[in-house]
Amino acid sequence: NAGVTQTPKFQVLKTGQSMTLQCAQDMNHNSMYWYRQDPGMGLRLIYYSASEGTTDKGEVPNGYNVSRLNKREFSLRLESAAPSQTSVYFCASTPRPGNSNQPQHFGDGTRLSIL
Amino acid sequence: DQQVKQNSPSLSVQEGRISILNCDYTNSMFDYFLWYKKYPAEGPTFLISISSIKDKNEDGRFTVFLNKSAKHLSLHIVPSQPGDSAVYFCAGHKETGANNLFFGTGTRLTVIP
Repeated sequence: NAGVTQTPKFQVLKTGQSMTLQCAQDMNHNSMYWYRQDPGMGLRLIYYSASEGTTDKGEVPNGYNVSRLNKREFSLRLESAAPSQTSVYFCASTPRPGNSNQPQHFGDGTRLSIL
Repeated sequence: DQQVKQNSPSLSVQEGRISILNCDYTNSMFDYFLWYKKYPAEGPTFLISISSIKDKNEDGRFTVFLNKSAKHLSLHIVPSQPGDSAVYFCAGHKETGANNLFFGTGTRLTVIP
């Protein structure tokens, strides 16, 4: 059981380049999330998708776009990468929000460096 | 504004002793609190949770205590093992909407053999 799979695991970009981070889950979860983790900042929510066909902004959405391609896949796009977007990005999913007995499951992250 | 705070960036404990990780929060609307554990190069994994209507939840070596009046919770690990060495994140859960987890900055626990 793969759970939440993120690709790529590592990426180096130049300022201004674009990139799409991929996330797929095989647990038939309804809700999916994108976080970034920075030193001293914990995990901050970028965008989320409560269910297939819906997306909403989180705490730090500027500079990002998302697509909920289908129930399994939720991608994060950087249209014009900036050094401030250097971070570790985590995708997560949950059967549905609002139930702590079904907490969010995380992928192993994408480490992104913008030069 | 950081709604969940973990003021200790790191903690070192001898194997076999108790580890106590602390977390403070400001938002009274949290209905659950969760602890996640994270190893290097891996994603966070769920460890234990507690409802805001309870003051204690226990799962094996892990116990979480909640003091609502102080807006404080703590995770106790007894006895601590070297495999417990990881970063621990506290998170508050809000029922409204899908944007429902707010994380602290994490505490790095090192269990010394």
